[in-house]
Amino acid sequence: AQSVTQLDSQVPVFEEAPVELRCNYSSSVSVYLFWYVQYPNQGLQLLLKYLSGSTLVKGINGFEAEFNKSQTSFHLRKPSVHISDTAEYFCAVKTSYDKVIFGPGTSLSVIP
Amino acid sequence: EAGVAQSPRYKIIEKRQSVAFWCNPISGHATLYWYQQILGQGPKLLIQFQNNGVVDDSQLPKDRFSAERLKGVDSTLKIQPAKLEDSAVYLCASSLRTGVNEKLFFGSGTQLSVL
Repeated sequence: AQSVTQLDSQVPVFEEAPVELRCNYSSSVSVYLFWYVQYPNQGLQLLLKYLSGSTLVKGINGFEAEFNKSQTSFHLRKPSVHISDTAEYFCAVKTSYDKVIFGPGTSLSVIP
Repeated sequence: EAGVAQSPRYKIIEKRQSVAFWCNPISGHATLYWYQQILGQGPKLLIQFQNNGVVDDSQLPKDRFSAERLKGVDSTLKIQPAKLEDSAVYLCASSLRTGVNEKLFFGSGTQLSVL
């Protein structure tokens, strides 16, 4: 069975600074990878996804993630964060035969 | 386009009481999901419907949880009797169909506190 690890439960960062949110997964089969964002008092929204092809995936709001098969990672990055990026970020993994498994989440706090 | 609607937004009950949550997915979405999100954890899938049939309920505690989607549109999730550890946010999501490429649309959730 697959699992998802997000080592950083909280990440504070100053406005306009770069940020990286880490995600590692374990699976014995090929996976599809997702990042979801949950803004305060809102439902989860899809940020980006990796299904196949280019390992660098661009999503909404200037976020991007890179799939690294050898390191089983799918880290999320943004070169310059904004106050409005303050939210909870969830990495998720899915195989062809299984349900979507979410990581525990990383709380990103952007400091003015 | 209307999103996934859930009600109530908050619910506080005492242990051993029963509670029900309601979800209305986006119009035309065949697949509906119920997730449980405990504080500090990621959402955990409880049950997945394809139209009015159950696709996956392997993580649903069937001794106390039940869910139905009788007409293949809206759905209810019930807990009877509730335990303290059921305190969580219950999220409903829908997608047009089942598939790895399908985007999930989430509701705002129902926050349940069991005292």
